[in-house]
Amino acid sequence: DTGVSQNPRHKITKRGQNVTFRCDPISEHNRLYWYRQTLGQGPEFLTYFQNEAQLEKSRLLSDRFSAERPKGSFSTLEIQRTEQGDSAMYLCASSLVGRGNYGYTFGSGTRLTVV
Amino acid sequence: GESVGLHLPTLSVQEGDNSIINCAYSNSASDYFIWYKQESGKGPQFIIDIRSNMDKRQGQRVTVLLNKTVKHLSLQIAATQPGDSAVYFCAEPLLGKLIFGQGTELSVKP
Repeated sequence: DTGVSQNPRHKITKRGQNVTFRCDPISEHNRLYWYRQTLGQGPEFLTYFQNEAQLEKSRLLSDRFSAERPKGSFSTLEIQRTEQGDSAMYLCASSLVGRGNYGYTFGSGTRLTVV
Repeated sequence: GESVGLHLPTLSVQEGDNSIINCAYSNSASDYFIWYKQESGKGPQFIIDIRSNMDKRQGQRVTVLLNKTVKHLSLQIAATQPGDSAVYFCAEPLLGKLIFGQGTELSVKP
């Protein structure tokens, strides 16, 4: 296991198009998180799953955003009708509940540019 | 709103010097903090953490200090190296998710 994997690394899309990102967490981790990061800012929480259940969604996650983790393993984040304001780095992290230090491990992110 | 924040957005140090990166938090009930390092094009990488029952914790070349009286923590990097150049974030777990501050960009001059 090489850690948290995110694909694609970069995505350029035209405004109004739909995009989907994938995250493969560390295999034994049961929690998976999505964050968004804009230039010069810290990552902002979007949503997280425990196994296949989506437990929390931030108010940042508009109706155009949807995330799934159908089998409790990999997750997808879809943005519909993209807007220029969606341009950001989308980070995925995973952890094992019960670990003393939360065990958060981040992927390298998917950088989205909406033109 | 955010419960953690950083004092300075950038810090420039000479190679070999010590670096100190500061962070303030607002929730006096906060009991756990994490420092992350983020290099360009990569995700945040765990550096060191500290619980509120400690004032100090040391790692390899890094030390975190926690002052609960003034709700302040700092990350000290000894003998800063070019490879330490990155953005550093303090983060606080809140109900299972991490809340990050804005970050401090550390630049190391050779």
